[in-house]
Amino acid sequence: AQSVTQLDSQVPVFEEAPVELRCNYSSSVSVYLFWYVQYPNQGLQLLLKYLSGSTLVKGINGFEAEFNKSQTSFHLRKPSVHISDTAEYFCAVSVTRGYQKVTFGTGTKLQVIP
Amino acid sequence: NAGVTQTPKFQVLKTGQSMTLQCAQDMNHEYMSWYRQDPGMGLRLIHYSVGAGITDQGEVPNGYNVSRSTTEDFPLRLLSAAPSQTSVYFCASSYSGGLGANVLTFGAGSRLTVL
Repeated sequence: AQSVTQLDSQVPVFEEAPVELRCNYSSSVSVYLFWYVQYPNQGLQLLLKYLSGSTLVKGINGFEAEFNKSQTSFHLRKPSVHISDTAEYFCAVSVTRGYQKVTFGTGTKLQVIP
Repeated sequence: NAGVTQTPKFQVLKTGQSMTLQCAQDMNHEYMSWYRQDPGMGLRLIHYSVGAGITDQGEVPNGYNVSRSTTEDFPLRLLSAAPSQTSVYFCASSYSGGLGANVLTFGAGSRLTVL
């Protein structure tokens, strides 16, 4: 079975500073990887996804993530954060074959400080 | 397109009562699932379905029932509510197969409180 670890439960960062949210996964087979964002009191929306091809994927709102198979990581980065990026970010994984259970990490709350 | 619609948005139950959370999607997605979100625990999969008539358990299925009689609808039933089921519930759907698979579209959530 696949699993996801998000080690940082909260990340405070000053506005216009860079940020990296860490995600590590575990799976014995090939995977798809995702980052979702949840703004306060809202549902989740897809930020970006890795399905195949280039290991550097770009998403909405200036975010990007890099799939590193050897490190089993899929860290999320943004070079300059804005107040509006304050939200909770979830990393998720699913295997590429069989039933499509999508497993989520415990989330990282990004707090952007003005 | 409405996407994924969940009802109700808020519900308060007493211990032992039953209720159904409704989920409907209009995207012809084969795959539908229910998650619960609790502070510090992320989203945990309750039940999922890969098509009409096919359902399976996720990580935390106890206390919940599901059925899938149509492609569009995937209701979640609580037969005898317990305070431990106080949570925010999300329904999500996606295509099955191909590179669009597993990209989940979420509903807005249903906040359930069990007293």
